[in-house]
Amino acid sequence: AQTVTQSQPEMSVQEAETVTLSCTYDTSESNYYLFWYKQPPSRQMILVIRQEAYKQQNATENRFSVNFQKAAKSFSLKISDSQLGDTAMYFCAFMKHETSGSRLTFGEGTQLTVNP
Amino acid sequence: EPEVTQTPSHQVTQMGQEVILRCVPISNHLYFYWYRQILGQKVEFLVSFYNNEISEKSEIFDDQFSVERPDGSNFTLKIRSTKLEDSAMYFCASGRTVYYNEQFFGPGTRLTVL
Repeated sequence: AQTVTQSQPEMSVQEAETVTLSCTYDTSESNYYLFWYKQPPSRQMILVIRQEAYKQQNATENRFSVNFQKAAKSFSLKISDSQLGDTAMYFCAFMKHETSGSRLTFGEGTQLTVNP
Repeated sequence: EPEVTQTPSHQVTQMGQEVILRCVPISNHLYFYWYRQILGQKVEFLVSFYNNEISEKSEIFDDQFSVERPDGSNFTLKIRSTKLEDSAMYFCASGRTVYYNEQFFGPGTRLTVL
């Protein structure tokens, strides 16, 4: 079974600064995907960024980037130029590659607050 | 932009009653999922559904739960006899193909069992 661990229950950052959220995971799979989802107060789950395990290059999406360390089973999210709208709960998630549809396994979440 | 929709947004029910949570996935998607999130906790997988049958279910998804896709557009989660501990936010998600692997989430249904 896969596990995902987010060791930072809460973090805060000043507007326009950079923050990094940590995530580690445990799996015996060699082919899998990793995701960061954002959950604002509305509780809607919004995909922020994803990474395929077979790709060495770290994914980036505008102000969001990841540091994927496959050997260390680490997948951190960096948010640059933080904005007030980034305030949300952030969940790291793992999905193994299967042909019949695969579950997302989520971490416990990190509540990020961006301060003006 | 197409999106997953869920109804109702909030359902209040008495313990022991049956509830049906409804979802309309994105129209060309083939994979469907239900997740739940108890307040303050992480999101947990319940079940996945493909080709009109369950492809995977978690330990949470016991005999009181069932899913179906009755008409080719709706995807429903039924809880036969609700318990207090079923109170949670229930999210539906859909995916186009397993290889594209992104799951699109609906806004959730908040279920309150009294």
